[in-house]
Amino acid sequence: SSKVTQDPAVSVALGQTVRITCQGDSLRTYYASWYQQKPGQAPVLVIYGKNNRPSGIPDRFSGSNSGNTASLTITGTQAEDEADYYCNTRDSSGNHWEFGGGTKLTVL
Amino acid sequence: EVQLVQSGAEVKKPGESLKISCKASGYIFTSNWIGWVRQTPGKGLEWVGIIYPADSDTRYSPSFQGQATISADKSTSTAYLQWSGLKASDTAMYYCARVGFLEWLLYLDYWGQGTLVTVSS
Repeated sequence: SSKVTQDPAVSVALGQTVRITCQGDSLRTYYASWYQQKPGQAPVLVIYGKNNRPSGIPDRFSGSNSGNTASLTITGTQAEDEADYYCNTRDSSGNHWEFGGGTKLTVL
Repeated sequence: EVQLVQSGAEVKKPGESLKISCKASGYIFTSNWIGWVRQTPGKGLEWVGIIYPADSDTRYSPSFQGQATISADKSTSTAYLQWSGLKASDTAMYYCARVGFLEWLLYLDYWGQGTLVTVSS
């Protein structure tokens, strides 16, 4: 089981703001990267590091870190943002990487 | 345009061997690590390992050490994931992805489309 934990499911009303979190001791030291995965598709990188967005990712996606928690925030959530979201970071040893268990985001 | 194109779906029997591929284009293959990630049906993402094609330096996730082998061919810009004795528990979708590094952070910026491996008697 993951030592980096995520809430299994989160819901948000269309147009509202949602924060998806990732918790783990290693996040006190290391940043995370975040991936969006829609059904039947490969994951897509949406945020990495302190708050870096790859080209093509809308600026409604942002990242932050505090203590042992990394957060992905979607401001003005759109219907197309409904997906599974995974965080990834180094493990507590610093020698390997691990994914969180994923959060299923439902847009109401 | 960076692209990673993976080989097609496979159906194998337990104990059989298998090698799946990931062909890279649109960037210098030897400049970036390549990672492999497993996703079992209806489940989350798991690291298999990463390889640096320039010198074939390979790092495996502790869960996959000894279970599969990662390799790369610089001449064809292709990375591979292979098994010598498949088990039913290897049934999963396998993704390759290009690795980027930002200080201590690893991220996967381009992904292949995935290869579905089914192991069943």
